[in-house]
Amino acid sequence: SQTIHQWPATLVQPVGSPLSLECTVEGTSNPNLYWYRQAAGRGLQLLFYSIGIDQISSEVPQNLSASRPQDRQFILSSKKLLLSDSGFYLCAWSVRRSPNYGYTFGSGTRLTVV
Amino acid sequence: DQQVKQNSPSLSVQEGRISILNCDYTNSMFDYFLWYKKYPAEGPTFLISISSIKDKNEDGRFTVFLNKSAKHLSLHIVPSQPGDSAVYFCAASARYNNNDMRFGAGTRLTVKP
Repeated sequence: SQTIHQWPATLVQPVGSPLSLECTVEGTSNPNLYWYRQAAGRGLQLLFYSIGIDQISSEVPQNLSASRPQDRQFILSSKKLLLSDSGFYLCAWSVRRSPNYGYTFGSGTRLTVV
Repeated sequence: DQQVKQNSPSLSVQEGRISILNCDYTNSMFDYFLWYKKYPAEGPTFLISISSIKDKNEDGRFTVFLNKSAKHLSLHIVPSQPGDSAVYFCAASARYNNNDMRFGAGTRLTVKP
């Protein structure tokens, strides 16, 4: 069966510090991978998606970046965190076919920038 | 650009009664719709879906209705149980762009015993 792992579960970082969140998927090959953010009181905002190794699409301009060094590994990074980067970050995967039959989400990372 | 809207941030119902969660969308290219359930500090989990060729899909206590002309869908939970208390997200995607699923802001459902 397929599983998705996301870590760490919680993170408190000072403003201006770097960030690295990691997500890995097991039990499937060639998944589509996604990073979402849920800000306080708001819905899920798509940040990045990837259809393959080193193939990253950015949905909104921001000081975050994403990388996919391996087929089932997706990393969210920042060189310098802002207070506005606080939120609940979710990694998700889906099968690479059309139509899409929904995403499977990781357990999320609660990031607090202080 | 909010292409998927859930205008009710919260809903409170009594145990055993019906819960109705609503969702509206603006993009007529959306043809696949999903509901996700999210508990605090956890990722959303898939609940039920419907494609645009149908107007109703039922799974146990959960039924999703789709009104394409009104660009509206709703999730009915009957009977509601305290364990249903969670945030429910409506999501939509387009067949031509299955890499991009849009989510609503969520509705927090509280089912009181």
